[in-house]
Amino acid sequence: DIQLTQSPSFLSASVGDRVTITCRASQGISSYLAWYQQKPGKAPKLLIYAASTLQSGVPSRFSGSGSGTEFTLTISSLQPEDFATYYCQQLNSYPRAFGPGTKVDIK
Amino acid sequence: EVQLVESGGGLVKPGGSLRLSCAASGFTFSSYSMNWVRQAPGKGLEWVSSISSSSSYIYYADSVKGRFTISRDNAKNSLYLQMNSLRAEDTAVYYCARDHPYADRAFDIWGQGTMVTVSS
Repeated sequence: DIQLTQSPSFLSASVGDRVTITCRASQGISSYLAWYQQKPGKAPKLLIYAASTLQSGVPSRFSGSGSGTEFTLTISSLQPEDFATYYCQQLNSYPRAFGPGTKVDIK
Repeated sequence: EVQLVESGGGLVKPGGSLRLSCAASGFTFSSYSMNWVRQAPGKGLEWVSSISSSSSYIYYADSVKGRFTISRDNAKNSLYLQMNSLRAEDTAVYYCARDHPYADRAFDIWGQGTMVTVSS
C-alpha cells in the first residue's frame, strides 16, 4: 500500500504569508494526487487535482506542483478564510489513502 | 444543484449493524464511481470503500473488509454502505463522495456526512 506523509503537521502563519505544504508518497504515483481543504464541522473541499490542476471555483492563490513522490500545495497570500486543515490524497492505486493532514492556524 | 445527502447514522452497540444511504441529485449518478470516506472524532480522513459506476469494481480498506458492503442503485440515484460487526473504532462521520469526472483524479463532490457512534 502507498503511504502519504505531510509536512509540517501544524503551521502557524499570518494573513498575507506565503504558505507551502509538502506531501510525500512512499512510492511513485505519477500525478495522481489531490489536495483538499477542511474546516471544522464541514466536509472536505477539493482544491487541486492531478497534482497541479485548480478545481473550478477555487481561488488562484492556491497552486499545486510535483509528480512521482513529492508534491507541494502553495497558498501565495494567506487569507482569513484559508485557516483550515489541508489533506493530500493519492489516487494512483487502492487503497486511496489520505495524508495525515496539515493544520494551518493563525499566528 | 449537484448534491449528495447522507443518512442512516446513529448510535449502535458493538457487534451491531447499520446501513448508510447517500442520495445523489443534480448529476447523472449512473456515470460516476462513488466512494465512502470516514473521519473519527478529532482525526484525519480515512478512505473506506469505492464502487464503479456499474458496480463492476468494488474496493475496501483492510480495516472494514469482510464487515462492510458498498452497493448502489442507479435507478434510485443512491449509494449504500452496509456496516456489520461494528466496533468502537468505527465511530466516525461517514461521507459519501463522487469521483471526479476525469477518473482517478479526486473526489470532487462530498456530502455533509452522517455520524455513526458505536458504543455500549
